[in-house]
Amino acid sequence: DAKTTQPNSMESNEEEPVHLPCNHSTISGTDYIHWYRQLPSQGPEYVIHGLTSNVNNRMASLAIAEDRKSSTLILHRATLRDAAVYYCILSVYNAGNMLTFGGGTRLMVKP
Amino acid sequence: SQTIHQWPATLVQPVGSPLSLECTVEGTSNPNLYWYRQAAGRGLQLLFYSVGIGQISSEVPQNLSASRPQDRQFILSSKKLLLSDSGFYLCAWGTGLTGNTIYFGEGSWLTVV
Repeated sequence: DAKTTQPNSMESNEEEPVHLPCNHSTISGTDYIHWYRQLPSQGPEYVIHGLTSNVNNRMASLAIAEDRKSSTLILHRATLRDAAVYYCILSVYNAGNMLTFGGGTRLMVKP
Repeated sequence: SQTIHQWPATLVQPVGSPLSLECTVEGTSNPNLYWYRQAAGRGLQLLFYSVGIGQISSEVPQNLSASRPQDRQFILSSKKLLLSDSGFYLCAWGTGLTGNTIYFGEGSWLTVV
């Protein structure tokens, strides 16, 4: 399985931007990069995904390196509700198109 | 719009008792369906996935089983629960298309005592 590497934890101040990094040096040409987040006692929530180009939605932005070996999830203005575990996952095309979750990054937001 | 529901939300079961968790998806047809488990303080582990009625693939050997009797229904079962089966069980669905995004249900907390 294609793997991703993320820092175990990060801290941010409320109302400041947050850049969550992810390395995926073994990514192949057809692998999509997905980001999910999981709040305490809840199921993971889809945040954003992309293939090659940078992507924006109402929740966040995804910046993908030109060689696609790394990506960054950008929260433009962190709020206390953004405190969660953020998972960077490669969507490997296979029989079930399943997503394999790693350890993720625990984001702590300080008021 | 599509919705996913799973139940029960919480349950406490004695060791050796059976288990049945049910998940249904609405607003889509022929979805890929998944069961994940998250042990306390751990990451998500994929248990089973299904690409169609009656088609079940297991990712890890265990005393759990899954069934898909209808297109949008996915059931997780056990004949005899173990203490190690305790955890947070999550059902999810996806379109199965390239770049597949999957969407999770609310989860079921299982405590085996």
